[in-house]
Amino acid sequence: GAVVSQHPSWVICKSGTSVKIECRSLDFQATTMFWYRQFPKQSLMLMATSNEGSKATYEQGVEKDKFLINHASLTLSTLTVTSAHPEDSSFYICSARDLGQGDYNEQFFGPGTRLTVL
Amino acid sequence: GQNIDQPTEMTATEGAIVQINCTYQTSGFNGLFWYQQHAGEAPTFLSYNVLDGLEEKGRFSSFLSRSKGYSYLLLKELQMKDSASYLCAVLSSDYKLSFGAGTTVTVRA
Repeated sequence: GAVVSQHPSWVICKSGTSVKIECRSLDFQATTMFWYRQFPKQSLMLMATSNEGSKATYEQGVEKDKFLINHASLTLSTLTVTSAHPEDSSFYICSARDLGQGDYNEQFFGPGTRLTVL
Repeated sequence: GQNIDQPTEMTATEGAIVQINCTYQTSGFNGLFWYQQHAGEAPTFLSYNVLDGLEEKGRFSSFLSRSKGYSYLLLKELQMKDSASYLCAVLSSDYKLSFGAGTTVTVRA
């Protein structure tokens, strides 16, 4: 099956620093990847849609200058949380669509990255 | 936009059956997914419905009625490992997933 990895799995940083999270599709090509955020005991909220070779599309209320997304290749998208603050502490999850399984419209999820900002 | 409702919590006994309902209102519909999520982990795919009716996959079944904006996930022969959060998610016409808040299922011995 389609596998998506994320790195790092967890990160602790100081307030004001930037953190980069990588999302990779390991055995398929993904022209579209999605970034979600999940706060404790809440559901996943879509932050942005990442398209290979073009600018990301951000959901309403998500600051594009704070959450920088780069989708440089068909297997890699990165999310950079700039000038992180404690309120950015959350579980960040990426997903990717496998174009080879178009009938299913399924998104394959990475294992998530736990960000803690001190 | 999407408005997705599901119960917050459900408790059942090992070996029993539990049905988790999900209602939705959507401006565009491309299917409905059910995911299982254990604490601190990413969601794992359980089922996908795009046409009306019942999809059965082992101990898990999912039902969809598009006209009623309604789905349910049926878990049979509950096992302790089934204790988790179950997420209902609607895929919109632009291929974005909107998630419900999740239903925490607790299986008791």
